Amino acid sequence: QQQVKQSPQSLIVQKGGIPIINCAYENTAFDYFPWYQQFPGKGPALLIAIRPDVSEKKEGRFTISFNKSAKQFSLHIMDSQPGDSATYFCAASPSGGYNKLIFGAGTRLAVHP
Amino acid sequence: EPEVTQTPSHQVTQMGQEVILRCVPISNHLYFYWYRQILGQKVEFLVSFYNNEISEKSEIFDDQFSVERPDGSNFTLKIRSTKLEDSAMYFCASSSGANVLTFGAGSRLTVL
Repeated sequence: QQQVKQSPQSLIVQKGGIPIINCAYENTAFDYFPWYQQFPGKGPALLIAIRPDVSEKKEGRFTISFNKSAKQFSLHIMDSQPGDSATYFCAASPSGGYNKLIFGAGTRLAVHP
Repeated sequence: EPEVTQTPSHQVTQMGQEVILRCVPISNHLYFYWYRQILGQKVEFLVSFYNNEISEKSEIFDDQFSVERPDGSNFTLKIRSTKLEDSAMYFCASSSGANVLTFGAGSRLTVL
């Protein structure tokens, strides 16, 4: 119930491609869904986040699509660049409480030039 | 840009030894967290801390773990008697309460 399932585990795209990373959850008490980007040797850094009252959010080349009825959300990276190569984690946070994040297992993305 | 600072960046310890990991959260943040990431695996919640007390903890955060905010700026994680399986990257994070967590760069703990 507290899990967030993320796929794929790894992804390789060519520069300019649109990698898509998917996440699914079961707990309907989750009401905040961020994506974090992590480079080797660094902590996760917030990339973009969405709440269930909208179905899509775009920030620059990054877009979250959210399907509340299916309890799924995904990250799309438009015009991907080699500098986007990193590990991406989806997460979810339950309403109320103290902003605890439940992370997915992560997707290692490699963007080849 | 404000950041969360963690020390040490890497600590090597013998099994059974006590370890203290230190964090300086962002100054106006009220919520503090410790997470850990075993090599190659997902980031796991350990504990959240608010108003000078633990607000929530995971099953991982057993009696061997403790947290403290000894003064107005530091937030520490103590592991009383380290085990091999405690080897991981430990991340401190802080939040102003608006869901956005800012993570530090992590402290890598290696237990031999």
